[in-house]
Amino acid sequence: DIQLTQSPSFLSASVGDRVTITCRASQVVYSYLAWYQQKPGKAPKLLIYDASTLQSGVPSRFSGSGSGTEFTLTISSLQPEDFATYYCQQLSGYPITFGPGTRVDIK
Amino acid sequence: EVQLVQSGAEVKKPGESLKISCQGSGYSFTSYWISWVRQMPGKGLEWMGRIDLSDSYTNYSPSFQGHVTISADKSTSTAYLQWSSLKASDTAMYYCTRHALTPHWFDPWGQGTQVTVSS
Repeated sequence: DIQLTQSPSFLSASVGDRVTITCRASQVVYSYLAWYQQKPGKAPKLLIYDASTLQSGVPSRFSGSGSGTEFTLTISSLQPEDFATYYCQQLSGYPITFGPGTRVDIK
Repeated sequence: EVQLVQSGAEVKKPGESLKISCQGSGYSFTSYWISWVRQMPGKGLEWMGRIDLSDSYTNYSPSFQGHVTISADKSTSTAYLQWSSLKASDTAMYYCTRHALTPHWFDPWGQGTQVTVSS
C-alpha cells in the first residue's frame, strides 16, 4: 500500500495568514494526488485534483503543487470558512489511500 | 445537478446484517464508479472499495475484503454497501462518492450514513 503522511497534523492560524500543508507519499504517485476539505459533520469536498488543478467553484486562494512523492496545499489568505480538516489522497494505485489529515484551527 | 443521496442512519446489534444505499442522479450512472469510504468517530478517511457500474466489477481494500460487499442496481441508479454480520467496530460514518478511470478523483460525495452497532 502507498502510505501518505501529512505535516503538520494540526495548525493554529489567524484570518489572513498564508498556510501550507505538506503531503508525502511512500512511493511515487506521479500527479495522481487530490486534496479534500472536511468541515465537522459534513462530507469531504474536493479542492484540488491532479496535484495542482483547482476544482471548479473552489476559491483561487487555494493552490496545490508537487509531483512524485512530495506535495503541498497552500491557502494564500486564510478565511473564516477555511477552518476545517484537510486530507490528501493518492489515486496512483490500489488500495486508494488518504493522508491522516491536517486540522486547521483559529488562533 | 450531480447528486448522491444516501440512506438514513442505522442502529443495529452485533451480528445483525445491514445494507445501506447510495442513489445517483443528474448524470449517466453507468459511466462512473462508486466508492465507499469509512470514517470512524474522530478519525480520518479510509477507502473501502469500489464498483464499476458498467459491469459491476468490484475492487476492495485488503482491510475490508471479505467483511463487506459492494453491489449496485443499474435500474435504480443505486449502489449498496452491505454487511452480513456487524461488529461494534463497524460503528462509523460511511460515505459514497463518484469517480472513474477519468476523472479519477472523488466528486461529489454523498451526505453520509451513520451506522451505530451496539448491544
